[in-house]
Amino acid sequence: AQSVTQLGSHVSVSEGALVLLRCNYSSSVPPYLFWYVQYPNQGLQLLLKYTSAATLVKGINGFEAEFKKSETSFHLTKPSAHMSDAAEYFCAVSVGTGANNLFFGTGTRLTVIP
Amino acid sequence: EPEVTQTPSHQVTQMGQEVILRCVPISNHLYFYWYRQILGQKVEFLVSFYNNEISEKSEIFDDQFSVERPDGSNFTLKIRSTKLEDSAMYFCASREDFGANVLTFGAGSRLTVL
Repeated sequence: AQSVTQLGSHVSVSEGALVLLRCNYSSSVPPYLFWYVQYPNQGLQLLLKYTSAATLVKGINGFEAEFKKSETSFHLTKPSAHMSDAAEYFCAVSVGTGANNLFFGTGTRLTVIP
Repeated sequence: EPEVTQTPSHQVTQMGQEVILRCVPISNHLYFYWYRQILGQKVEFLVSFYNNEISEKSEIFDDQFSVERPDGSNFTLKIRSTKLEDSAMYFCASREDFGANVLTFGAGSRLTVL
């Protein structure tokens, strides 16, 4: 079975500081990994995805994530936080191109302090 | 940018009442999904739908739940007799026939059962 664990339900950073949101996955087969962002009163928007190509994946809004098989991790980073980055971030895993659904983590709420 | 639209954005209902949540997926997408998120908990898979039938469903999706695509456009989730524990945000999603499982989500419908 596949699952993801997000460490830290709340993360606060100062504007301009590094953002690091942690995600560890569990999967018996090579996974596809995703980060979604949810802004207040909006749906889940895809930030970036890992699909077994390059291990360092760049997404929208300056975010990137690195797939590390040895650590079973897919942490999300951004060099410099912006006020508009305040949102809920969800890591998700899927298995195989025919896999039918995503398994989500519990989410991390990012607060950006001016 | 194509988007998944959901109605209503918020519905309040009495326990035991029937509720229908509506979704208009992206027009060229072939796979449709419902997820739910109980307040403070993770986003959970409910059901997936392809070629006018359910392709997969979770343990949550019991006999009280049903889905249909009555007119080739709308994709609906019906809860026959709502319970207090059905209170949640319900997300619709859709995806194309190919690609690495990238789901596009709607903004969600918040259901409150009193």
